[in-house]
Amino acid sequence: QSALTQPASVSGSPGQSITISCTGTSSDIGTYNFVSWYQQHPGKAPKLMIYDVTNRPSGVSNRFSGSKSGNTASLTISGLQPEDEADYYCSAYTRSSTPPYVFGTGTEVTVL
Amino acid sequence: EVQLLESGGGLVQFGGSLRLSCAASGFSFSTYAMNWVRQAPGKGLEWVSVVSAGGGSTVYADSVKGRFTISRDNSKNTLYLQMNSLRADDTAIYYCARKSGSYEYYFDYWGQGTLVTVSS
Repeated sequence: QSALTQPASVSGSPGQSITISCTGTSSDIGTYNFVSWYQQHPGKAPKLMIYDVTNRPSGVSNRFSGSKSGNTASLTISGLQPEDEADYYCSAYTRSSTPPYVFGTGTEVTVL
Repeated sequence: EVQLLESGGGLVQFGGSLRLSCAASGFSFSTYAMNWVRQAPGKGLEWVSVVSAGGGSTVYADSVKGRFTISRDNSKNTLYLQMNSLRADDTAIYYCARKSGSYEYYFDYWGQGTLVTVSS
């Protein structure tokens, strides 16, 4: 099972919106609505930002939103803020029993 | 407050062994499946292993199958990862992560991680 494909980097100015894509296959993103997104600041643990494609955990800003079309999921950050600068990883449940989860390659978000 | 605290990382020689622990608090540990996820220096996240809430079911990534053993002690609210026959590519920060629920497929809480360095 290969990693999900994400762009290596995305950048935007404060206040702008950016979108990070996450491309999988019909064995993972294309079949299940079990896509999640994690934010990771340098030296810190990942933090859940989106689950089940579109849902935000309590406490996560509504500037973060998720969507999916076919084998590709997306994370959109609206009203970009300096504290959004971090690495972002998508993850998906897979049809394969091993591994049952696959992560994306990761995207570095830079706030210009 | 949910807390996960890993320990046991360190420097180990190629072919050696190490046991990681993850102490859980703030939730009913015995009702959640638990995972290990690792991150090599400067690299992305890699799922390693999962153990069911009761401990009777385990799954491993192909990269660690036969060398790593995940287990848990629900009486001590602690998750373990026994790592044997360590290789250079096992060098990583190891995170324990809680699987959100029985029919949920995401990780809602993560520990701060423990660094494992395998030297030759």
